[in-house]
Amino acid sequence: QVQLVQSGAEVKKPGASVKVSCKSSGYSFTTYYIHWVRQAPGQGLEWMGIINPLSGTINYAQHFQGRVTVTRDTSTSTVYMDLSSLTSDDTAVYYCARGLRYTNGRHIWFYFDYWGQGTLVTVSS
Amino acid sequence: QSALTQPRSLSGSPGQSLTISCTGTSSDVGDYNYVSWYQQHPDKAPKLMIYDVNMRPSGVPGRFSGSRSGNTASLTISGLQAEDEADYYCCSYAGSYTWVFGGGTKLTVL
Repeated sequence: QVQLVQSGAEVKKPGASVKVSCKSSGYSFTTYYIHWVRQAPGQGLEWMGIINPLSGTINYAQHFQGRVTVTRDTSTSTVYMDLSSLTSDDTAVYYCARGLRYTNGRHIWFYFDYWGQGTLVTVSS
Repeated sequence: QSALTQPRSLSGSPGQSLTISCTGTSSDVGDYNYVSWYQQHPDKAPKLMIYDVNMRPSGVPGRFSGSRSGNTASLTISGLQAEDEADYYCCSYAGSYTWVFGGGTKLTVL
């Protein structure tokens, strides 16, 4: 069965960076893009960015440009999200989610069908 | 990219029908047939309920349906049940490989 398993909770100081991993299983890793979505405490969902695991091509939400880096390791079917210059506003649960694929010359699957369990990142001095 | 607009909260009694609206712009909701809806229970990951405006994944009860008119998408729950109490989020593709979520609606079943 499809699973996205994320790394454990992190506590970071302001100004530091955090790296969260998302390991995929149960499907062909390079067939579906992976997104990152975050949710601050008591707040809504916020889309952060997307990576094509096949090519490594990425796109980020404007709000995170310059601070977020998403990479992948095809040998382990794992995607990583690195967020730098952390502030207390970055305290949130970070989710990876599967969505978007390219097939028969076009993109399909413009939604998030499987989600990781979430990783709580706490930024505190 | 501004968040899509949803009512912050709604409530209904068991058996009632209820509709959650999601208003965007002609650059997202109104421009693409790629609106999706997610249900989130406390401390759980979101769950896909509707995709491509009105398509229901297997396993999602038939009482959930989606629609769109212009720049506003809607999620309708017919025959509200206690387990439907949750937060609901709409999401739209916004072009150039970007997506935008709504602010979320807290649904209370009375």
